[in-house]
Amino acid sequence: EPEVTQTPSHQVTQMGQEVILRCVPISNHLYFYWYRQILGQKVEFLVSFYNNEISEKSEIFDDQFSVERPDGSNFTLKIRSTKLEDSAMYFCASNVAGGPSEQFFGPGTRLTVL
Amino acid sequence: RKEVEQDPGPFNVPEGATVAFNCTYSNSASQSFFWYRQDCRKEPKLLMSVYSSGNEDGRFTAQLNRASQYISLLIRDSKLSDSATYLCVVNGGGSYIPTFGRGTSLIVHP
Repeated sequence: EPEVTQTPSHQVTQMGQEVILRCVPISNHLYFYWYRQILGQKVEFLVSFYNNEISEKSEIFDDQFSVERPDGSNFTLKIRSTKLEDSAMYFCASNVAGGPSEQFFGPGTRLTVL
Repeated sequence: RKEVEQDPGPFNVPEGATVAFNCTYSNSASQSFFWYRQDCRKEPKLLMSVYSSGNEDGRFTAQLNRASQYISLLIRDSKLSDSATYLCVVNGGGSYIPTFGRGTSLIVHP
């Protein structure tokens, strides 16, 4: 069964450093998403991406964040100048039809900022 | 502000019990509703979509009440493996951004 994959599973970084989180969505999916979940809190939408451009983003997704689809398979989230409060689980998701249809989540990357 | 509210629980029930969760949403224009399941430190996985007419999948029944702006999930004959956090997700109302509730924790014990 096809699945969304994410690497690394755990990333530890120093405050102020840049990190890149990687995702490989399901191959025939066209819509891609990033979410974050701070420990003990709810899942929060960051950004959606379709046709090589951002389609929607939340208030959380400020200039510190960027997304890219560098090739036909990878979908990346870059966080510049990380802060302690960026520590969270970051989930990538994808779906075929966009918006209200089922989203398939990857296993997540746990980011720890020291 | 668009909010989705859930009772965080935990709901602690014995095997075989029937348990129900509710979720309220604030955006009356919301159009799509889902229940996801999230195991500890794992990703959310779709449990079921919620349709206006209500829907059932085995031991799970989901209902939507648009007038009162809530959705519900009923689990019958609880199994130990049902222990997880159940997330209410609401979409629509002018945006495709899904809004997640904080989840309701269910613990099923022998």
